[in-house]
Amino acid sequence: QKEVEQNSGPLSVPEGAIASLNCTYSDRGSQSFFWYRQYSGKSPELIMFIYSNGDKEDGRFTAQLNKASQYVSLLIRDSQPSDSATYLCAVMPPNAGKSTFGDGTTLTVKP
Amino acid sequence: EAQVTQNPRYLITVTGKKLTVTCSQNMNHEYMSWYRQDPGLGLRQIYYSMNVEVTDKGDVPEGYKVSRKEKRNFPLILESPSPNQTSLYFCASSPTAGTSRRWETQYFGPGTRLLVL
Repeated sequence: QKEVEQNSGPLSVPEGAIASLNCTYSDRGSQSFFWYRQYSGKSPELIMFIYSNGDKEDGRFTAQLNKASQYVSLLIRDSQPSDSATYLCAVMPPNAGKSTFGDGTTLTVKP
Repeated sequence: EAQVTQNPRYLITVTGKKLTVTCSQNMNHEYMSWYRQDPGLGLRQIYYSMNVEVTDKGDVPEGYKVSRKEKRNFPLILESPSPNQTSLYFCASSPTAGTSRRWETQYFGPGTRLLVL
């Protein structure tokens, strides 16, 4: 079993829809959770960081963390074609710099 | 302008020829990290550094070395490159303020594409 697993893609949603990206992790000691967006040929960009159970909202993005069930999700509301990218989930143990990434989910938003 | 720079951006080399990929940041960040990315895979962490003279292994450290003699620079050294180290490499940095929220800010370099023949 991989340490961090993301729902296999590619994921395609129509413009204006909600895109839901999921990530599960195996290490119960994980404390920090990240979502990155990576456009083709570009560097990753941190879009959400969460460390407390519950929801965290930033504009059209909402991260949801459930440590008991060991999953973290990313919702993108009112999806736009510019959201088309690969989304990477990563987890980090407490007070440490080591991070483990999932393989990513490629999202396509169709106009 | 806050940035992380990497050099070179592209490199073709031959097996066994030592090389160094440089990474430099101008934000006085304590934390720096190296990742590799292969097709269809996410990032895999090679080494990271929490501060000057403090480095630690990530998930795939074999065949790589790092040093952190000064805060701004974190070079990645391949002593004897092999074809399986052909990859896209990213360097990243973050401030470390002693709280969980320190990870809210991260900057990535533009990447270095390495081909080992």
